[in-house]
Amino acid sequence: SQQGEEDPQALSIQEGENATMNCSYKTSINNLQWYRQNSGRGLVHLILIRSNEREKHSGRLRVTLDTSKKSSSLLITASRAADTASYFCATALKTSYDKVIFGPGTSLSVIP
Amino acid sequence: DTAVSQTPKYLVTQMGNDKSIKCEQNLGHDTMYWYKQDSKKFLKIMFSYNNKELIINETVPNRFSPKSPDKAHLNLHINSLELGDSAVYFCASTTGNSYNEQFFGPGTRLTVL
Repeated sequence: SQQGEEDPQALSIQEGENATMNCSYKTSINNLQWYRQNSGRGLVHLILIRSNEREKHSGRLRVTLDTSKKSSSLLITASRAADTASYFCATALKTSYDKVIFGPGTSLSVIP
Repeated sequence: DTAVSQTPKYLVTQMGNDKSIKCEQNLGHDTMYWYKQDSKKFLKIMFSYNNKELIINETVPNRFSPKSPDKAHLNLHINSLELGDSAVYFCASTTGNSYNEQFFGPGTRLTVL
């Protein structure tokens, strides 16, 4: 099974609501990264949280990391239609600095 | 100005053909990657190069051959294309190693008929 798995697979909310996506992983990490992918485009890096950090903010984004539970969450507050995209977590393993492993992603739809 | 560019954006070809995808980055990064994204959007690393040296080869069939002529370019050549090769291929780059954020190209959608 995969190192990182997002939950839910798909999420549909109304504009203005908050969206929460979760990521679980299996092995020790150096950091965890969140990326966004708009339809037909490449991935865009959103935020990186290191294994010794518990929470990080960037604009309307809030990321938490719980290394004891091997899980992370991405919260998008006051969502906008433009936030409609797929969101991926990527784990950078402590045992391998050469690659990150991407989860299958959460597809977010924000309805205007 | 495009940071990571790929050509072509779309590639439609017959089974058995040989094709190449090119990637260039103008960010001054020394590490570049090829990823394959399947129809379910699952993104899997294929290759990683650091300073033109192959670092990762994720058990990709040897029909796939990456080439890095210099730090700014990483090309992907695919021989004897198969139906299962249909996917979106992404190039990405970073500075140093994968602990840092990666910058992705726009992708190349390959369709094998």
